[in-house]
Amino acid sequence: GAGVSQSPSNKVTEKGKDVELRCDPISGHTALYWYRQSLGQGLEFLIYFQGNSAPDKSGLPSDRFSAERTGGSVSTLTIQRTQQEDSAVYLCASSLRGGLMETQYFGPGTRLLVL
Amino acid sequence: DQQVKQNSPSLSVQEGRISILNCDYTNSMFDYFLWYKKYPAEGPTFLISISSIKDKNEDGRFTVFLNKSAKHLSLHIVPSQPGDSAVYFCAASANTGGFKTIFGAGTRLFVKA
Repeated sequence: GAGVSQSPSNKVTEKGKDVELRCDPISGHTALYWYRQSLGQGLEFLIYFQGNSAPDKSGLPSDRFSAERTGGSVSTLTIQRTQQEDSAVYLCASSLRGGLMETQYFGPGTRLLVL
Repeated sequence: DQQVKQNSPSLSVQEGRISILNCDYTNSMFDYFLWYKKYPAEGPTFLISISSIKDKNEDGRFTVFLNKSAKHLSLHIVPSQPGDSAVYFCAASANTGGFKTIFGAGTRLFVKA
């Protein structure tokens, strides 16, 4: 029943490699969000999925970043040709319907280190 | 351009005293504000929120104050407890059609026993 889960919890990769980060939202939640937190920074919005609507990708920092949400549940954030500045904690959150006043429930994050 | 600013990266308070965490915003369109709390190696968890039609919301030891004219909000924790030691994020959202919640950089609170 649990909350939002993310995998892997930690990922170390070499510059130039592709990585995939996974998020399992709370069952029944139709909205899913990805954020990242770089060292000393706040939570930076990346992308938002709500039901069958087109995702809001306005926060993706470059075309190396993409995300999918299959079957309205699990989401994968893919970073291609990773760069050192991609090193951060990537957080996924879900909420029931995606209303702006809804509480977002966060996963524990994936800590990505690009060497 | 940081739309939500938490200018104090850290705050240290004695147990039992009041903790006041501050947050400033620049976008007058924001109409809903939230505070999240984050422990190390965990995701943020929702703490308390306030709508722009209010100036105060209280939940137990936690109270959020909103001053719209100053574009400022604060979180008061009274009395502070060692378990309150965490990073606190201020966040703001606007009901303008598109979705985005903007988070501040966070303030790390240390409550000393």
